[in-house]
Amino acid sequence: KAGVTQTPRYLIKTRGQQVTLSCSPISGHRSVSWYQQTPGQGLQFLFEYFSETQRNKGNFPGRFSGRQFSNSRSEMNVSTLELGDSALYLCASSELYRASEQYFGPGTRLTVT
Amino acid sequence: DAKTTQPNSMESNEEEPVHLPCNHSTISGTDYIHWYRQLPSQGPEYVIHGLTSNVNNRMASLAIAEDRKSSTLILHRATLRDAAVYYCILRDDGRDDKIIFGKGTRLHILP
Repeated sequence: KAGVTQTPRYLIKTRGQQVTLSCSPISGHRSVSWYQQTPGQGLQFLFEYFSETQRNKGNFPGRFSGRQFSNSRSEMNVSTLELGDSALYLCASSELYRASEQYFGPGTRLTVT
Repeated sequence: DAKTTQPNSMESNEEEPVHLPCNHSTISGTDYIHWYRQLPSQGPEYVIHGLTSNVNNRMASLAIAEDRKSSTLILHRATLRDAAVYYCILRDDGRDDKIIFGKGTRLHILP
C-alpha cells in the first residue's frame, strides 16, 4: 500500500496570505489527523477528522481550519498567515477513529516571510 | 493529560542494545504507553504500544514496570538507521483521539 502523501512538500508564502495543504491517507484509512511541528513548541495536535466530521480540535486559533472529503482525503487551511505559522505540518492517518497506530506523512514545510 | 519524562539525549554504539527509559508516575489505569520515533526529515513513525504486559514486535520490545510508573523501549541491536528522536506517549486509547507529543529523547548511534 502507498503511504500517506502530502502536497505540496514545500511552500513559501507571504504574511497575510492564506494557504491550503492537502493530505491523502493510506487506502482504507478513514481517520486523518493534523499536527504542527516547530523547533520551539515541538509536535502539537491541530485536529482530527473521521467520516468527514471534525472529532477533536487542538488549541489553535480559528485561522486554522480543515475538512475531510468522502474519499477520506483531507485539507487544512490557514488564513491570514503570520510569521509564527512557519512550521512543518504533518498529516497522520489511521484505519479507525482513536486507533492505536497512526501513520504519518512526510509533512509540508511552510515558510512565511 | 498524563505526562512523561524522558532524557533529552542518549548515545549508543552500533550493533549494541539500547534501553530508552520513560517515567510516567501519573499514569492512569486506562492509559496505554505508546512509542513513536522521528527520523531526520521524516514524519513520526509508530514503534510499539502496550498497557501492562511486556510487548515485542519486529522493531522493538517494550518493558513495562509492574507499577506502570515507568517503561523502557528496547532496541535489541541498534543500527545507524535507528538514530532518531524517540517519543514516549501516554494515551487513553478508549477516549483520546489525539497524540500529545513531549520533547522526546534524541538517540545518537556511534559507528
